[in-house]
Amino acid sequence: GEDVEQSLFLSVREGDSSVINCTYTDSSSTYLYWYKQEPGAGLQLLTYIFSNMDMKQDQRLTVLLNKKDKHLSLRIADTQTGDSAIYFCAEMHTGRRALTFGSGTRLQVQP
Amino acid sequence: NAGVTQTPKFRILKIGQSMTLQCAQDMNHNYMYWYRQDPGMGLKLIYYSVGAGITDKGEVPNGYNVSRSTTEDFPLRLELAAPSQTSVYFCASSFSPEGGTEAFFGQGTRLTVV
Repeated sequence: GEDVEQSLFLSVREGDSSVINCTYTDSSSTYLYWYKQEPGAGLQLLTYIFSNMDMKQDQRLTVLLNKKDKHLSLRIADTQTGDSAIYFCAEMHTGRRALTFGSGTRLQVQP
Repeated sequence: NAGVTQTPKFRILKIGQSMTLQCAQDMNHNYMYWYRQDPGMGLKLIYYSVGAGITDKGEVPNGYNVSRSTTEDFPLRLELAAPSQTSVYFCASSFSPEGGTEAFFGQGTRLTVV
């Protein structure tokens, strides 16, 4: 099965909070990432969290990590139409030299 | 301010044709990667390189070849195009694979094989 899994679609209203969830299977993952892909563009790093952390906050973004359940979430506060994009969860662990990506969650923000 | 540059942006190939997808980075990164992105799927690693002259297979290398003669360039070669290779291809680079290091992506090459 997939190493990293995400739900495919999320729709929210402008101004609401968005929560995008991700589960991973490899307990040796050392870093977990969130990337954003806008239409017709490559991926851009949003934020990352080290596996010994539970939470990381960066302006409107909050990342929560539950190592026991191997669950990662990205919360976007005050979601704007410009946040509409595909969000990818990715992991890196010792022994690998490249990221493993989930299938992406398409966030649609309705005005 | 170039970053990672991929060419071409779009290409249509006939079955059995060959082509090279170009990738260049100007950040002096040692690590470079080729991914493919199929609709509704995540990115799958095709090949990667840890420095000039060194390449290694990723998850889905069949039907592709790469070379890394310089730090800057990492071309991806399709020898006998097949419809299964219809995808969007992304090149990426990073300073190192260590955690917390950002991977920079090109804008992608959309390839259709008919």
